[in-house]
Amino acid sequence: DGGITQSPKYLFRKEGQNVTLSCEQNLNHDAMYWYRQDPGQGLRLIYYSQIVNDFQKGDIAEGYSVSREKKESFPLTVTSAQKNPTAFYLCASSFRPGTGRSNYGYTFGSGTRLTVV
Amino acid sequence: AQKVTQAQTEISVVEKEDVTLDCVYETRDTTYYLFWYKQPPSGELVFLIRRNSFDEQNEISGRYSWNFQKSTSSFNFTITASQVVDSAVYFCALSSSNTGKLIFGQGTTLQVKP
Repeated sequence: DGGITQSPKYLFRKEGQNVTLSCEQNLNHDAMYWYRQDPGQGLRLIYYSQIVNDFQKGDIAEGYSVSREKKESFPLTVTSAQKNPTAFYLCASSFRPGTGRSNYGYTFGSGTRLTVV
Repeated sequence: AQKVTQAQTEISVVEKEDVTLDCVYETRDTTYYLFWYKQPPSGELVFLIRRNSFDEQNEISGRYSWNFQKSTSSFNFTITASQVVDSAVYFCALSSSNTGKLIFGQGTTLQVKP
């Protein structure tokens, strides 16, 4: 079945470490997104990518980096520059805007819960 | 700028009560899409409904109904005869047909007590 797989489900990071969250989709979606969720703040967009080898900053990109080398994959790296990384991270995908199918919906992964120890 | 406001942070009802979750949005786009998602304690987002800006017809799906009013920029969600399984966080979201970005409201936590 098609879908989005995020791994790991739980991740612990030590102070000063970089960690990478995985997001893989087999839906043939062009666009992929990373959101961060904190209690009481809803979901905020970190980065998004509409095509391979291209991505844009969202509302809270500082301290994060991404790559989009393959259509199926959009990994997110939480760098040591991110001062408060403890949160729930959700990855999503959709068809690319302008194709007439982009707003058919967004598919979300099951999330990664990152904790700083 | 695009914005989604869910003024109700938390709502608590007793089972079988009807409950309405409010959503107000702001956008300058003429074409846009509105969504409702449910987030149970497990964390994944469950898609409930999508509505485009040209379709103001209200929709009913089982115990769920949605009232889209462009004149007041609102897209409210009503659960009829609520059940304990409806307990979750509900998000309203807005998407631009130009950028494809999905902008979320703060979410409303619904607790349905037996």
